[in-house]
Amino acid sequence: QVQLQESGPGLVKPSATLSLTCTVSGGVLTNYYWSWIRQPPGKGLEYIGYAYYSGSTNYNPSLRSRVTISVDPSKNQFSLNLRSLNVADTAVYYCARGIGSSWDVWGQGTLVTVSS
Amino acid sequence: QSVLTQPPSVSGAPGQRVTISCSGSSSNIGSGYEVHWYQQLPGTAPKLLLSGHNKRPSGVPDRFSGSKSGTSASLAITGLQAEDEADYYCQTYDNRLSASVVFGGGTKLTVL
Repeated sequence: QVQLQESGPGLVKPSATLSLTCTVSGGVLTNYYWSWIRQPPGKGLEYIGYAYYSGSTNYNPSLRSRVTISVDPSKNQFSLNLRSLNVADTAVYYCARGIGSSWDVWGQGTLVTVSS
Repeated sequence: QSVLTQPPSVSGAPGQRVTISCSGSSSNIGSGYEVHWYQQLPGTAPKLLLSGHNKRPSGVPDRFSGSKSGTSASLAITGLQAEDEADYYCQTYDNRLSASVVFGGGTKLTVL
C-alpha cells in the first residue's frame, strides 16, 4: 500500500524559501503525477502544482512565479520549493499522488507557519 | 474566491438523502473535464471519494454517487450516517488557467 510522508520545517520567516519533501513508500514514482496541495487554517484546498515522474510540471498560475516542484526517482521522493514567503502562505501542506486527473493517495499533511 | 462554487454548508438527519452542488463554467466542468469529489473528516487529510464517471475507490460505500450536467456537478449521499459528517470538495481542471487544477470552496456536511 502506497504511503506518502511530508517533511520539512514547521516555521519559516517571511521572504524566505520553503522546502518540503514527500517520501513515497510502498510504490514507485513511475506513471503518476506528484502534487502539492495546501490548506490555510480554516479554509479550503488550494492546488499548488504537480510534477510528472518524467519531470514535466504544471503549476497554479497564481503561484507559478514562486514555485518549483521536482521529482527524484532515485530517492523515491519529490519536493516543493516556494520562494518569497509571506504570512498568506501559512497552511497545511499536503503531498498527493495523481492518477488520471484525480489525487488518490495523500500524505497526512504538515503545518507550515510563516512568521518572524 | 473559488472557480467552482459549492454551498458552504448542508445538513440532514440520519437516514436522509442530501446533495452537494458544484457549479462551474464553460471553461471547466462545461468543457467536459472529469469532476472528482473528496471527503475530509475533521483533522485529517482529504480522501478521494469519487473520481470521474462515478467511480468509487475501494472501501467507499455505494451510498455516495455523483452526477454531472452542463456546467454543474453534484454529489449525492443516501442513508446519511453520523460518520459522513465532514467537509466535501469538488475538483476538476480549468482551461482558462493553463489547464490548471481547481477545487471548489468546500461544503460542510452536518448530520443532525
